[in-house]
Amino acid sequence: DAGVIQSPRHEVTEMGQEVTLRCKPISGHDYLFWYRQTMMRGLELLIYFNNNVPIDDSGMPEDRFSAKMPNASFSTLKIQPSEPRDSAVYFCASSLHRGMETQYFGPGTRLLVL
Amino acid sequence: RKEVEQDPGPFNVPEGATVAFNCTYSNSASQSFFWYRQDCRKEPKLLMSVYSSGNEDGRFTAQLNRASQYISLLIRDSKLSDSATYLCVVKPGSARQLTFGSGTQLTVLP
Repeated sequence: DAGVIQSPRHEVTEMGQEVTLRCKPISGHDYLFWYRQTMMRGLELLIYFNNNVPIDDSGMPEDRFSAKMPNASFSTLKIQPSEPRDSAVYFCASSLHRGMETQYFGPGTRLLVL
Repeated sequence: RKEVEQDPGPFNVPEGATVAFNCTYSNSASQSFFWYRQDCRKEPKLLMSVYSSGNEDGRFTAQLNRASQYISLLIRDSKLSDSATYLCVVKPGSARQLTFGSGTQLTVLP
């Protein structure tokens, strides 16, 4: 069974460019989470969805960040315009409603903004 | 004050050693507790849940002290493959999301 799939795995872009990160959760999971991990701040929750509906986006750093989940099998996190301080590893995770403490993480997208 | 605090380490121990990590949390309403493991340049994965009565999974033992608001993880007979960052994770009250500590880095040396 495939785990959480993220693309791209690596992204290098220049400041000001739009970046779109993609995630496919595990089939049947009804929660989807977007995290950002940096050395300075550790793993931070940005936003999470339940049944494709955004539930809590209080972790989204600013208006440059937006996330969508158009259907149960796909989500995007977009940064527009990107800045060097956005450089981080972005993880997507999914879980079932029951036992949602077990979050299954994707391999992450390593983003470098120059 | 951070919601979940861990000693960042690094802990460098020889194979076969016993090593313990502690973690403190600030929200007394927290209900669920976990340890996740993250290998270098990989994603976090659930290692084990932490129950009030304490629980053991092979060489790993987790303990919870609600009165002092701390969680511990003990690794016995450590292996080279135990080298990783161990993340303390707390689920506050009725919240759906998890709060991750910044992790404790362990290196087991041959």
